[in-house]
Amino acid sequence: AQRVTQPEKLLSVFKGAPVELKCNYSYSGSPELFWYVQYSRQRLQLLLRHISRESIKGFTADLNKGETSFHLKKPFAQEEDSAMYYCALKGEYGNKLVFGAGTILRVKS
Amino acid sequence: NAGVMQNPRHLVRRRGQEARLRCSPMKGHSHVYWYRQLPEEGLKFMVYLQKENIIDESGMPKERFSAEFPKEGPSILRIQQVVRGDSAAYFCASSPSGRNTEAFFGQGTRLTVV
Repeated sequence: AQRVTQPEKLLSVFKGAPVELKCNYSYSGSPELFWYVQYSRQRLQLLLRHISRESIKGFTADLNKGETSFHLKKPFAQEEDSAMYYCALKGEYGNKLVFGAGTILRVKS
Repeated sequence: NAGVMQNPRHLVRRRGQEARLRCSPMKGHSHVYWYRQLPEEGLKFMVYLQKENIIDESGMPKERFSAEFPKEGPSILRIQQVVRGDSAAYFCASSPSGRNTEAFFGQGTRLTVV
C-alpha cells in the first residue's frame, strides 16, 4: 500500500532558524515524491519534486530510499515561509497523488 | 491562462439534497483529478478522469458519488443525498497529460452540509 506520513501537525520555529519538515513513505516500487505548499487563502502549489533535484525558495529535499524519507529542509526560515506543507507520493497511474496529512509551519519573528 | 477554476467556492446543502461541484481545467489540460480533504486530514484521492473517460475511481465512495468529464464543459463531481459526513473541501487538479507533467490545483470548493 502507498502511504505518506508527516508526523508533525505543527512546527514552530524562529526566523533565521533551520527548518526540517519530516516525511516518510511506504511504496513498493520506485517512488516519485513531491512537496506542495499552501499559503494562507491560496491554492495548493508544487514546491519541489525529487526528480528535479532543485532548490526552490531556499528549500531542498533529498530522497533517502534506505530510510524511505523525503524530508524538506531550509537552513534559515523566513516569516513568509509560514504555510501548510504537504508531502505527496505519485501513484502508478497518471498524476494520482497520495498525500500526507500536512504540517503547518509557523515562523515567528 | 486563468488556472484551474472551481465553483462554487462555498456550497451549503441540507441533508438529503444534491451537491454539484464544477471544475474547469487549465486550457489544454485533458486530465482531471478530484481530491477530498476532511477536517484535520490530508487530501485523499477520489477519481481521475480524462475527457469522457473515468480512468481510476478507486477513491470514490461506492454510493451517492459520481464524476464526469464531458467532451465539452467542466468536470462535475456530484454527490446525491448529502450527509453531514460529506462536509469537506473538494479540490480539483488538472494536467496536460500523464505521468511526467505537473498537476495544477484549483482553490477548492468547501461543502457544508447542515
